[in-house]
Amino acid sequence: DTEVTQTPKHLVMGMTNKKSLKCEQHMGHRAMYWYKQKAKKPPELMFVYSYEKLSINESVPSRFSPECPNSSLLNLHLHALQPEDSALYLCASSQEVAGGAYEQYFGPGTRLTVT
Amino acid sequence: DQQVKQNSPSLSVQEGRISILNCDYTNSMFDYFLWYKKYPAEGPTFLISISSIKDKNEDGRFTVFLNKSAKHLSLHIVPSQPGDSAVYFCAASDYSSGTYKYIFGTGTRLKVLA
Repeated sequence: DTEVTQTPKHLVMGMTNKKSLKCEQHMGHRAMYWYKQKAKKPPELMFVYSYEKLSINESVPSRFSPECPNSSLLNLHLHALQPEDSALYLCASSQEVAGGAYEQYFGPGTRLTVT
Repeated sequence: DQQVKQNSPSLSVQEGRISILNCDYTNSMFDYFLWYKKYPAEGPTFLISISSIKDKNEDGRFTVFLNKSAKHLSLHIVPSQPGDSAVYFCAASDYSSGTYKYIFGTGTRLKVLA
């Protein structure tokens, strides 16, 4: 099973709402990632979790709060977002982080619209 | 500051011919490079990778070439098929922060004409 699943597929939220994005993988990968992708732009790294610990935060605003409850799950909690945060949010996982670089497996993404 | 660049935003190729997608990088510490393919409304799909200790890696119709001195890599697709039409991203791994992270290029939209 090389699948990364993400829910929901689409999300529309107001600027005062609190919502969460979910990501799940069952490949035994110990590194998980959140990316943000705007139209016609490359995926932009937000967070990296390694062995369930946050190892990279690319200076992401605190209105985005990641959480890794266990090795298979990754959440992204959203609060007080701005319209410019509207984007495709991609989750990815890879085999290992410290031991070497490996290919990442991406989920289909959550299309977020902030109104 | 874009550390990984794909200077051709789009490329059109006839079916059956070779597609060559190019990627340049600026950081000589990058040691692992990957190519991904992305269809609209889907996440990127891994295609092929290459370590900096090699100059070529082949997988079926896909071959990646790495020229470290020029900080340049390319993806060759032979023969090109209409199903290859997608956006292609190159990515480079960066271990400078003690954790591998991947920096993506700007993407090239490939259109294979039947």
